[in-house]
Amino acid sequence: TQLLEQSPQFLSIQEGENLTVYCNSSSVFSSLQWYRQEPGEGPVLLVTVVTGGEVKKLKRLTFQFGDARKDSSLHITAAQPGDTGLYLCAGGDDKIIFGKGTRLHILP
Amino acid sequence: KAGVTQTPRYLIKTRGQQVTLSCSPISGHRSVSWYQQTPGQGLQFLFEYFSETQRNKGNFPGRFSGRQFSNSRSEMNVSTLELGDSALYLCASSLMRGSSYNEQFFGPGTRLTVL
Repeated sequence: TQLLEQSPQFLSIQEGENLTVYCNSSSVFSSLQWYRQEPGEGPVLLVTVVTGGEVKKLKRLTFQFGDARKDSSLHITAAQPGDTGLYLCAGGDDKIIFGKGTRLHILP
Repeated sequence: KAGVTQTPRYLIKTRGQQVTLSCSPISGHRSVSWYQQTPGQGLQFLFEYFSETQRNKGNFPGRFSGRQFSNSRSEMNVSTLELGDSALYLCASSLMRGSSYNEQFFGPGTRLTVL
């Protein structure tokens, strides 16, 4: 059974700080996605990573797919209050599975 | 274009009742997937419908069922509700069959509370 484990579960940091959250598995994934979910809304796709070792940037967010395609990380530079939310990683070719997420709170 | 819509947004039921949730996908999208989100288990895949056929099913009991209509709208039904069914039910649509290659667009969810 494929599982995605995310860490940390919760993270509360000051505005302007940098942070990294992780998504790990013992299984190989052909691709992984990162979503952000805000209260009262459904998740919104941020990025899809496909190639082992791939790095994608979305403004202050940097996503990396592990060389072995078993893990991924999300790095946020100079966090802002608008980055607050639940960050979810997801993978799977037929049944998409989600990690339980990292709940991020940026303090102004 | 309009996003994914889910109705109702909030629902309160009692144990033993049944409930039907509705999802209207983005126009032109043929795949609709349903997920259950709880604080303890996170987002869990329920099932996916593509062109009116159930393509995949998660590990949920038979009390959970769904269907998709010819206009791609989908409904999900839960019979004999249990307290543990209290959750946010999310619907997602995509152009092609669901996979982590394809972008899924999520609706805002239906918050179901079972008393």
